[in-house]
Amino acid sequence: AIQLTQSPSSLSASVGDRVTITCRTSQGISSALAWYQQKPGKAPKLLIYDASSLESGVPSRFSGSGSGTDFTLTISSLQPEDFATYYCQQFNSYPPLTFGGGTKVEIK
Amino acid sequence: QLQLQESGPGLVRPSETLSLICTVSDGSISSSEYFWGWIRQPPGKGLEWIGSIHNIGSTYYNPSLRSRVTMSIDTSKNQFSLKVNSVTAADTAVFYCARHPRYSSGWHLYFQHWGQGTLVTVSS
Repeated sequence: AIQLTQSPSSLSASVGDRVTITCRTSQGISSALAWYQQKPGKAPKLLIYDASSLESGVPSRFSGSGSGTDFTLTISSLQPEDFATYYCQQFNSYPPLTFGGGTKVEIK
Repeated sequence: QLQLQESGPGLVRPSETLSLICTVSDGSISSSEYFWGWIRQPPGKGLEWIGSIHNIGSTYYNPSLRSRVTMSIDTSKNQFSLKVNSVTAADTAVFYCARHPRYSSGWHLYFQHWGQGTLVTVSS
């Protein structure tokens, strides 16, 4: 199974900050990576697919980049509603589909 | 607008079978263009994929759960279902159903639409 390692596992940031979350995969996955945002008590929400494609309705301050084994989710200017946990997921090689361990973004 | 709704018992006894249904609002479960999936999340932990199914019968299961999991689709009811047998406390989780995106130059099995989730507790 392809393993996904997210870093950091948590971070503290202020409104307006630029935030970068990294996802590293144990094998190359081309661009077959998605990013999700999850708020407490809610289902995950798709943000980015195919490593860098923005899902419809998602604010443009979210962006994704990378290919192969190293991927990045960037929030260009953190907003109050962005405090949440973020997960990456690979869909290049399955079963199994696999998720990263999550990155919790907290208020500084 | 697509809506997915999980339903089923909130409490299951150890060694018994957990059964959940996901009801799909828009009829797309009859389309050959989608896979449908189940994901679980133990309290305070991360996401784990359980399996995905297509209405022609193709299924993919997580190898870690394959021996205990069965998924099926009932297009006449706009539903797909999950069964996990021989449950233990470690199966306690919020279970989500989801739809993968429409087929496009291959199957891209990320999760585009999610249900709200349902908590299933395994306890005697």
